[in-house]
Amino acid sequence: AQKVTQAQTEISVVEKEDVTLDCVYETRDTTYYLFWYKQPPSGELVFLIRRNSFDEQNEISGRYSWNFQKSTSSFNFTITASQVVDSAVYFCALSSSRAGKSTFGDGTTLTVKP
Amino acid sequence: ETGVTQTPRHLVMGMTNKKSLKCEQHLGHNAMYWYKQSAKKPLELMFVYSLEERVENNSVPSRFSPECPNSSHLFLHLHTLQPEDSALYLCASSQDPGGTSTDTQYFGPGTRLTVL
Repeated sequence: AQKVTQAQTEISVVEKEDVTLDCVYETRDTTYYLFWYKQPPSGELVFLIRRNSFDEQNEISGRYSWNFQKSTSSFNFTITASQVVDSAVYFCALSSSRAGKSTFGDGTTLTVKP
Repeated sequence: ETGVTQTPRHLVMGMTNKKSLKCEQHLGHNAMYWYKQSAKKPLELMFVYSLEERVENNSVPSRFSPECPNSSHLFLHLHTLQPEDSALYLCASSQDPGGTSTDTQYFGPGTRLTVL
């Protein structure tokens, strides 16, 4: 069975601080995919990134960066110089062909205060 | 319209009503999904359709009835709901024809459902 754990339920930071959202996953599959989504107050989940299990390169996109560590089964997400517009619920998800569906974490609510 | 759209955005219904939620994707995808998101609970996958065939039914009560007339449209028919069914219902689509969710899912804005 697949499992995704986002241990941080809520995080609150002040604008311009860096913040890291943790994601730890469990799977028996060797080929799998990891995702991060952002859900602002409007409700729609916005896709941020997709990585496959064979690509452990870290990725940076503007103020966002992702650290994929297979050895610790983690796929952490860092926002640099956070802004108020980053306030949202962030979901980490895992999927594989064998599982046949995505497994989402419970989400981390990030609040960035001005 | 682009992406994934859902109507209505908000719905209030009584327990004896019958209503339908509509989802439309303009991305040329092959798979469509219904999720339920209740307050303080994780996302729950309800149904998956791939190439208009249902490939996943995640032990959802029969008062929820999905319909996928073509690869661009997905409906969720509701009847005799309970107050605990109040939630945000999200539709998503993805490219993968097997509906395995390994491709990125693109979500609609959701329908906020309140059952009185």
